[in-house]
Amino acid sequence: DVKVTQSSRYLVKRTGEKVFLECVQDMDHENMFWYRQDPGLGLRLIYFSYDVKMKEKGDIPEGYSVSREKKERFSLILESASTNQTSMYLCASSSLILRRESYNEQFFGPGTRLTVL
Amino acid sequence: GNSVTQMEGPVTLSEEAFLTINCTYTATGYPSLFWYVQYPGEGLQLLLKATKADDKGSNKGFEATYRKETTSFHLEKGSVQVSDSAVYFCALSDPDSWGKLQFGAGTQVVVTP
Repeated sequence: DVKVTQSSRYLVKRTGEKVFLECVQDMDHENMFWYRQDPGLGLRLIYFSYDVKMKEKGDIPEGYSVSREKKERFSLILESASTNQTSMYLCASSSLILRRESYNEQFFGPGTRLTVL
Repeated sequence: GNSVTQMEGPVTLSEEAFLTINCTYTATGYPSLFWYVQYPGEGLQLLLKATKADDKGSNKGFEATYRKETTSFHLEKGSVQVSDSAVYFCALSDPDSWGKLQFGAGTQVVVTP
């Protein structure tokens, strides 16, 4: 059974703290994604990685960075957490896209609900 | 830019009722269209997809038809069950996007016995 796991289901941090959200997939997928999910806004892409050490900004990258040192692991970093980063964070992965118009199913983790006080 | 618009929820209905969730999109070119479902406490999972005009995606009794003329991809199910209670997301993948998805806001569906 394919699996995307996220390090925590719930996380509470204080303003100004550095926060790491970890995501691991066991499907040998090349692509990995970080989204945040907010009521009324759906999912918005924060960052995307298509290979180890490669990353691309999504729609809302401000205040976030990412790290992908190994193929199976994709970390989201909040350098200095702020209250407006309180949200649900979802990680996803998909296999290699061979053509720009192609699509491969994205598999999602269960999410991390982050609260910044 | 691309966008996906879904009807607002929550949608509350009784078991065995007919469900429709409207989805319309704006995109350049010819996107692929998807419905994802998020059950309580879980991540999203792909429910169905359609990659070209007039395609019909179907799965678990749900159907959606890619209508290019109305730029729509409405989700339907003829007889819902309590277990269909979830949040449903319409999404598109633009041909230039290398598989990245643009999501709608999501529609919560609550089915009561």
